Amino acid sequence: DQQVKQNSPSLSVQEGRISILNCDYTNSMFDYFLWYKKYPAEGPTFLISISSIKDKNEDGRFTVFLNKSAKHLSLHIVPSQPGDSAVYFCAAKGGGSNYKLTFGKGTLLTVNP
Amino acid sequence: EAGVAQSPRYKIIEKRQSVAFWCNPISGHATLYWYQQILGQGPKLLIQFQNNGVVDDSQLPKDRFSAERLKGVDSTLKIQPAKLEDSAVYLCASSITRTSTDTQYFGPGTRLTVL
Repeated sequence: DQQVKQNSPSLSVQEGRISILNCDYTNSMFDYFLWYKKYPAEGPTFLISISSIKDKNEDGRFTVFLNKSAKHLSLHIVPSQPGDSAVYFCAAKGGGSNYKLTFGKGTLLTVNP
Repeated sequence: EAGVAQSPRYKIIEKRQSVAFWCNPISGHATLYWYQQILGQGPKLLIQFQNNGVVDDSQLPKDRFSAERLKGVDSTLKIQPAKLEDSAVYLCASSITRTSTDTQYFGPGTRLTVL
């Protein structure tokens, strides 16, 4: 039972354009969402998060949008840079006292120069 | 500020052997997590510690996996005996405490190959 789904295994965009990574979740108890970026042979690095009381959070080139009614969130990267090429994981937590993270399978983003 | 440290970075063993991984969290972080990441999947939580107590080990295969966090600082994860399906990256993470908004910071992981 996959509670966090990233349906696109990969995405390729041109440098300078917008990258949009999508994530869907099924557990309505989730109330906090995070995006992590992972380079090969490194651990995931925290990128940006959003609470369920908000519908948008922005940090520089990165913006996360949350649509609670659709149980959908997306990460926008504008403008995309070659250094953004990595695997992006969507994660969610809530609904229990242990605050554990539930991860999606990840999306490999490739930004072409 | 030093990040989460893990060792070894790579380990190759044969099935039925035992193996241990070590993690040192960020200084001052009370909560420590061990995740298993199988190729093509997202990380899956194995066990969570708050200081030196176990908060959640519901997904830890307790017949072969064990973990401890003596003195509430560094931690070890052990597999005995290993199976082929244990081949994965084992990630350690830590957070200041255990709230809904605390960020978990990950170490580089240990890549385990079981032959």
